[in-house]
Amino acid sequence: QVQLQESGPGLVRPSETLSLTCTVSDASISSYYWSWIRQPPGKGLEWIGYIYFTGTTNYNPSLNSRVTISLDTSKNQFSLRLTSVTAADTAVYYCARLSSGSRPNFDYWGQGTLVTVSS
Amino acid sequence: QSALTQPASVSGSPGQSITISCTGTSSDVGGYNYVSWYQQHPGKAPKLMIYDVTNRPSGVSDRFSGSKSGNTASLTISGLQAEDEADYYCTSYTSSSTPYVFGTGTKVTVL
Repeated sequence: QVQLQESGPGLVRPSETLSLTCTVSDASISSYYWSWIRQPPGKGLEWIGYIYFTGTTNYNPSLNSRVTISLDTSKNQFSLRLTSVTAADTAVYYCARLSSGSRPNFDYWGQGTLVTVSS
Repeated sequence: QSALTQPASVSGSPGQSITISCTGTSSDVGGYNYVSWYQQHPGKAPKLMIYDVTNRPSGVSDRFSGSKSGNTASLTISGLQAEDEADYYCTSYTSSSTPYVFGTGTKVTVL
């Protein structure tokens, strides 16, 4: 059973950088597309971006200038960096696997981690 | 890219069937057979229920079915059960500047 687990600080100061890591178990990260998705409290889902095992990335244009997704194949992990955060970036952040190429089929998800942006 | 439009809430009694709509444009829902549906219980991660408009992942009940007509996709839940009470989101591939767009979400209540 494929498992994904997010990790990182739950509190980030405004204007600083949010950094999260997703550890993948029972699946090689050297396949598939791997994605980050977030959900502000009480609101809907927002796709942040994805990375393919080749290193190819694609980001939501609304976040494009602030977001970076990277891979660490040696640790079977991928990571999210979001710079210059504001209160609007407060959300539950999920990592997920895309099962069918780049089609929107997110078949495995992490449990999610709440990141609060506050001073 | 605007979110796909879903009704805010849909309700039904146990055993009934309900349908949730997901309306987009010819650049997303209408242009591709790449619509998926997710079920999300409170405090939990979303779960893939339908992919590529009509396909169910292994382990998902056959009470859940998907369809599409023009720019609107639909999720039907037959034989509604208490455990189906959750939020549901659609998503589609899109030819816009972002490859995916999510729906606004629908809260399903079992009366």
